[in-house]
Amino acid sequence: EPEVTQTPSHQVTQMGQEVILRCVPISNHLYFYWYRQILGQKVEFLVSFYNNEISEKSEIFDDQFSVERPDGSNFTLKIRSTKLEDSAMYFCASSLDLNTEAFFGQGTRLTVV
Amino acid sequence: QQQVKQSPQSLIVQKGGISIINCAYENTAFDYFPWYQQFPGKGPALLIAIRPDVSEKKEGRFTISFNKSAKQFSLHIMDSQPGDSATYFCAASQRGGSNYKLTFGKGTLLTVNP
Repeated sequence: EPEVTQTPSHQVTQMGQEVILRCVPISNHLYFYWYRQILGQKVEFLVSFYNNEISEKSEIFDDQFSVERPDGSNFTLKIRSTKLEDSAMYFCASSLDLNTEAFFGQGTRLTVV
Repeated sequence: QQQVKQSPQSLIVQKGGISIINCAYENTAFDYFPWYQQFPGKGPALLIAIRPDVSEKKEGRFTISFNKSAKQFSLHIMDSQPGDSATYFCAASQRGGSNYKLTFGKGTLLTVNP
C-alpha cells in the first residue's frame, strides 16, 4: 500500500538553528500539505502546496517557514531559525486531488532545546 | 468561526460497549467532515467521512451521524474493542478552490477496557 514517508522520525535542534523536515508523498499525488501537532493539542494546518507553489498558508506559517519540492519526489519544510515553541510533531500529507482522501505520514517529532 | 469543537476530551468504554464522540462546527461553508484515528507514534489515518447531503454513514462498526441544522456530527463505534483504543479527531474542510485545509477538533482519547 502506498504511503507518505517522513524523515527523520525525531529531530533535536538548538534554538536559532535551521531545520529541514523531509517528506516523500505518494507518487501520483498532486497536492501536498504540512500540519503540526503541539504535544497534547490539536492538529493544525500550516500550508498547502500545488503546482509548485503555495496555495494557502495559515497564520502560523510566517516568514520563518518555507516549503519546497526540490526534485519532483521530495517535499520539504524548512524552519529558518527555530524557536522553543516550534517543538511539535510535524505531519506531511498528500492527496491525489481536492476530492480524495489526504494521507498522512507518520510524522517528525521536532524538539527545540 | 473556523473552529471545530470536540467532546469529550477522553472516554473510557468497556469492551462491547458503544463509544460516542461529538463535534460541532460554526462555519456553514464546511462541506466535508472526516474522522481520523491516530495511534501513538503514528500519523492520523482517515477512518470515515461524510458530506452534508446525507444524515448518516456507516462502515462496519463505525457510524457518522450528521445534523446539518444543528451543525453537529458524531462518531459512534459499536461493539468497541481494545484495538479501537486511540485518539480520534473530527475535522472539517471547505472544498473547492485550490486548497484542502482540514480544521481539526482537539481530539478524544478513547480507551476500551477488556
